[in-house]
Amino acid sequence: SQTIHQWPATLVQPVGSPLSLECTVEGTSNPNLYWYRQAAGRGLQLLFYSVGIGQISSEVPQNLSASRPQDRQFILSSKKLLLSDSGFYLCAWSASYGRASYEQYFGPGTRLTVT
Amino acid sequence: DAKTTQPPSMDCAEGRAANLPCNHSTISGNEYVYWYRQIHSQGPQYIIHGLKNNETNEMASLIITEDRKSSTLILPHATLRDTAVYYCIVRRIAGGGADGLTFGKGTHLIIQP
Repeated sequence: SQTIHQWPATLVQPVGSPLSLECTVEGTSNPNLYWYRQAAGRGLQLLFYSVGIGQISSEVPQNLSASRPQDRQFILSSKKLLLSDSGFYLCAWSASYGRASYEQYFGPGTRLTVT
Repeated sequence: DAKTTQPPSMDCAEGRAANLPCNHSTISGNEYVYWYRQIHSQGPQYIIHGLKNNETNEMASLIITEDRKSSTLILPHATLRDTAVYYCIVRRIAGGGADGLTFGKGTHLIIQP
């Protein structure tokens, strides 16, 4: 069966510090991968998605970036965090074809607090 | 993707059926209706989706009106663990579903003991 991992689970970082969040998927190959953010009291917002290694699409301009160095690894980064980057970051995957591609499966999330 | 409208919150007694409405009056012919839920501090969980026929799985039933402008998610026997925010999403499937999901504010369903 497929499993999605995210780490760390929680993170407290000062303003201006760098960020690296990692997401890995097991049990599937060539998945579509997604990064979402949920700010306090707000809905989920799609940040990035990827259909393959090195292929990243950005949905919202910001000081965050994403990379996909391996098929089942998705990384969210920032060079300098802002207070507004605080939130709940969720990684998700979906199959790249077939009926299973209709569903997205979410990881446990990383709660980031920028101080 | 079409916009959806859901009530911000609902209560339901434990053991009763929970019926969650969703309006999507601008839905297009190639757009599906999806339901996800998010239990506090967890990632969203897929529940069910449909195009125009009613659908049922082990978690819930989805009733879509004939004109497809609204739908209802039914949890047949709600338990306390069903307390969550429920999101109704209308989505066009393209390229194997590579596009992301657009989440609104959803309905906060509270199951009362």
